Amino acid sequence: EAQVTQNPRYLITVTGKKLTVTCSQNMNHEYMSWYRQDPGLGLRQIYYSMNVEVTDKGDVPEGYKVSRKEKRNFPLILESPSPNQTSLYFCASRDRAVYSNQPQHFGDGTRLSIL
Amino acid sequence: GIQVEQSPPDLILQEGANSTLRCNFSDSVNNLQWFHQNPWGQLINLFYIPSGTKQNGRLSATTVATERYSLLYISSSQTTDSGVYFCAVSTSGTYKYIFGTGTRLKVLA
Repeated sequence: EAQVTQNPRYLITVTGKKLTVTCSQNMNHEYMSWYRQDPGLGLRQIYYSMNVEVTDKGDVPEGYKVSRKEKRNFPLILESPSPNQTSLYFCASRDRAVYSNQPQHFGDGTRLSIL
Repeated sequence: GIQVEQSPPDLILQEGANSTLRCNFSDSVNNLQWFHQNPWGQLINLFYIPSGTKQNGRLSATTVATERYSLLYISSSQTTDSGVYFCAVSTSGTYKYIFGTGTRLKVLA
């Protein structure tokens, strides 16, 4: 089954404790992306990746890091999480990167709570 | 950058009613999707529709790219249609996606 898988689905942690949210897709997609969703602000793009070793900032990249060492994986790293990063996070992938007329496929979301 | 506005922000319907949700965007797009976010927070892909008209059961969507808007029609609404509906766009030459702020739909039994 074609899917985007995020882990963990839920996490409660404390300020400053490094964490990684994993994202994996099995569709051989070039393009992958991370979003956060906050009440009243909708979904905002954090980072995206055009292909292996090619990443770029979205609209809200501060406090986050990403890496794309393999085509299928695109982890989101919070080096020193803070309470303002409490949010619902989504990973997405799309077939081709350059020709953007393809639909995105989303994971089920990760609910992070930073105390 | 491109602006995406959705209307109405909130909508309450009686079961069986029809509704139209609107997505306006401020620039040309080559990628437009409609999503339903269910009560569990999952984003369900409804339509990929940068132009034209598509139908899937009780749902249909139309995008008039030249006039920079898209419409999502829900007919004979059911309580399971409740949730938030988002449109998301991307423009040619960029790799960023911009989401609208959504329409929150509640369907009453």
